[in-house]
Formats: sequence, C-alpha cells, structure tokens
Amino acid sequence: ETGVTQSPTHLIKTRGQQVTLRCSSQSGHNTVSWYQQALGQGPQFIFQYYREEENGRGNFPPRFSGLQFPNYSSELNVNALELDDSALYLCASSLNSGANEKLFFGSGTQLSVL
Amino acid sequence: AQTVTQSQPEMSVQEAETVTLSCTYDTSENNYYLFWYKQPPSRQMILVIRQEAYKQQNATENRFSVNFQKAAKSFSLKISDSQLGDTAMYFCAFMRNTGNQFYFGTGTSLTVIP
Repeated sequence: ETGVTQSPTHLIKTRGQQVTLRCSSQSGHNTVSWYQQALGQGPQFIFQYYREEENGRGNFPPRFSGLQFPNYSSELNVNALELDDSALYLCASSLNSGANEKLFFGSGTQLSVL
Repeated sequence: AQTVTQSQPEMSVQEAETVTLSCTYDTSENNYYLFWYKQPPSRQMILVIRQEAYKQQNATENRFSVNFQKAAKSFSLKISDSQLGDTAMYFCAFMRNTGNQFYFGTGTSLTVIP
C-alpha cells in the first residue's frame, strides 16, 4: 500500500455528463499528478499540481480540469464526457515536484462512459 | 517529443527462469531518467527500478536489473529467478531531468508459469 487513495474505484457515466474524481495524497506529499490509462495503453500525463497550483499539463483539452486543496488532496474534473474518456484514471503523489522525486500511485478510478 | 516503445505485447517465462523485457526510446535530451513500473491486477503502478542517464553503471534491484545502452536508446529489464508474483503488466517510462511527467510505453504483459 502506498498511502495514496482514490475514490470512487469505479464509475459509470453517460456522454455529456460531468464527473469528479478524488485523490488523497500520501501524508507529507505536496505534489499530485494525474494520468489517463486507456485500455491496452500506457498512462498519459494529464496535469500536475504542486502546492495548489497547476505545474504542467499534457495534451488534454480544457474540459479536463483539476484542483488541489490546502491539505494537498486533489480532484480531477471532466466536463462534457465523451466515449473516449472511458479509461483508468491514476493519481500519483510525491514529496515535491521534479524528476528526482519518487512517485507513489493509487489504484485508480475506472471510468466508463456510455 | 519523447516516445517510448515496447515491442513485446506479451511474454511468458517458467518459474525460476530468467526473462528480458525490451524497451527503446527516442529523445533529444541528454539528461533524463528511465524507469520500469509493474502494474499487477490491483492496477497500482509499482516502481521496479530506476536508471539515471548520466550513470554508466546499470541499475540493479535484487532480482531485477537493466541493460542501459544510451547510444542505442535501449533500456531492457532482466528478471532473474522469476516468481509467480512477477506476473503483471510492465511499463517502461521516460522522464526528462528537468521535467515532471512520465512518458510511458504501451506495456508488456508478463506471465510466470508454474
């Protein structure tokens, strides 16, 4: 167990709806990264939050947005859901931002869009 | 842009035998990190081993070792004395040393046969 918890574990939505995924980072970690893992693919970087500010973003449209709270937990929001948004969403926390930091991953939220 | 390629979608190995998973990458960076992550059915990404590009010595971690060939942009993972618990998806990943996002390959599904 890494101490990174994600909720919910599974979620079913319909096209056009909005969804919020939650991540509780490991104690003492101020950085949270979000990844999308489509079926049969490797995870793709969505964005990172460091001390409540967005600190880098991958190639995802603006309808993917995030938030980090003062306790460093984080949310990923997706508006206007599309069928291709169906994927496993992984959250990872680290002590600080930067390549030298070890990331601890949660077990993900499996999102199905119908 | 950085790309990571894993050309073996599936592999199998007899218990106690040795197996090598392949990974190649493309980058114009000179300083970076390379990783192998394991993703068991629990979906949580677990760090197996990490290599810093400026270090010529290949990283080792108990039964896991890498063959890092910087000029060839190759980064293979060798698992010795394979155990049933090694059965999982294995992802090769790249991170720039000034960056904060992983670039993952598409993964290799490894099955250890009793």
